[in-house]
Amino acid sequence: GENVEQHPSTLSVQEGDSAVIKCTYSDSASNYFPWYKQELGKRPQLIIDIRSNVGEKKDQRIAVTLNKTAKHFSLHITETQPEDSAVYFCAASIGGFKTIFGAGTRLFVKA
Amino acid sequence: GAGVSQSPSNKVTEKGKDVELRCDPISGHTALYWYRQSLGQGLEFLIYFQGNSAPDKSGLPSDRFSAERTGGSVSTLTIQRTQQEDSAVYLCASSLGGLEQFFGPGTRLTVL
Repeated sequence: GENVEQHPSTLSVQEGDSAVIKCTYSDSASNYFPWYKQELGKRPQLIIDIRSNVGEKKDQRIAVTLNKTAKHFSLHITETQPEDSAVYFCAASIGGFKTIFGAGTRLFVKA
Repeated sequence: GAGVSQSPSNKVTEKGKDVELRCDPISGHTALYWYRQSLGQGLEFLIYFQGNSAPDKSGLPSDRFSAERTGGSVSTLTIQRTQQEDSAVYLCASSLGGLEQFFGPGTRLTVL
């Protein structure tokens, strides 16, 4: 069945450094790849998404890249701040409906 | 406007009992999703509804789990004969025709 692998499971960086989270997916029909941020005790919230006809998308300090051939996509956060500390989930879906999430990456940003 | 709401926020039940979890999506959202999140784990897809189409139930873990969506709005997730491994947070989300999903606060289910 469909599967999304996410690495690393935990990531600790110094404030101001960059953080990179990587995901791979198994269903080649997937065409929509959102990233969600979940702060402790809160609900997940969309931070950025990318569709399969685009290779890269950027929004201020966050960017996502997609390699459809390799079925890889990555989240890049630059100039990390303590408030970036949270669990980040990647996901893959076909048309935005059935959505398979990765296991999550717990990001710690040390001040 | 109002976001996605879920009730109850917490539910404690005894093994073998049935439970019903409710989700009120954002008004006008055509798609509704249910996920399960075990402690410190990711989001496990359970089921989604889109408009009047047949729901995609491929993520339901067993025939003890079922869900319905009445009138294209409110949804109920039912777990029959609950087991301890069913303990988790059950999250509902809705979206306007797919893409960005807006999540509810979740229902924390504890099966004793």
